[in-house]
Amino acid sequence: GNSVTQMEGPVTLSEEAFLTINCTYTATGYPSLFWYVQYPGEGLQLLLKATKADDKGSNKGFEATYRKETTSFHLEKGSVQVSDSAVYFCALYSSASKIIFGSGTRLSIRP
Amino acid sequence: DTEVTQTPKHLVMGMTNKKSLKCEQHMGHRAMYWYKQKAKKPPELMFVYSYEKLSINESVPSRFSPECPNSSLLNLHLHALQPEDSALYLCASSHPLNTEAFFGQGTRLTVV
Repeated sequence: GNSVTQMEGPVTLSEEAFLTINCTYTATGYPSLFWYVQYPGEGLQLLLKATKADDKGSNKGFEATYRKETTSFHLEKGSVQVSDSAVYFCALYSSASKIIFGSGTRLSIRP
Repeated sequence: DTEVTQTPKHLVMGMTNKKSLKCEQHMGHRAMYWYKQKAKKPPELMFVYSYEKLSINESVPSRFSPECPNSSLLNLHLHALQPEDSALYLCASSHPLNTEAFFGQGTRLTVV
C-alpha cells in the first residue's frame, strides 16, 4: 500500500543553519507529494507541493524536488529562522482520495 | 477566500453530551474531509465526502456521525464520546481536479 516515511525528530538547529528533512514514499503510479507545516496550537498549512517527477516545489525559502528514481521528496531550506520552528509533515495524495501523512518531524530553531 | 473555517475552536463535553463540530469553505471545493489528530501524531483520516456524498468512512465508531448539508458545509455530530476521543479535529477541503487539501485551524475537543 501507499506510505510515507520521514526522518525522526526532533531536529534542533541554530538560526541561519541549513535544513534538510528527509522523506521517502511508497506508492503505485505517480502520486502528488506535499509538505505541510503545523505551528503550535494550529491546523495544517500547505507549504509546498509537486505533482510529477522532477518538479520542484518552493515557498518561503523552502524547496523540495520530486525524485521518482529514489522515491524521495526531501525538504530543504538554506537558512532557517526561529519562526520556522514547527512540525513538518510529508504527505502524498493517493488515487483513493486520501492524503497519507508521514509521522511528522518537529523542528526547533535556537536564536 | 482560501479559508476553511471551523467552529468552535475549543469544546469540552461530558460523556453523555451531544455536540456538533462545524466546518465551512467557500472555495467551491467538492471534496471535504474530517481528520483526527492526537498529540505528537499525524492526522488520521476519518471521513471523506465527495459531491456531498459520503465516499470514505475509515471504520470510525458510530458515536461520530458526519453530515454534509450542502457543498460548503460539513458537520461532525458527537454523541456518547469517551475520554480517549479527546483530540484535535481537523476539517479539510479540496477541488476534485486538484490534489492539495486546505485545512482549517481545528477544534480541540476534550471529553470529560
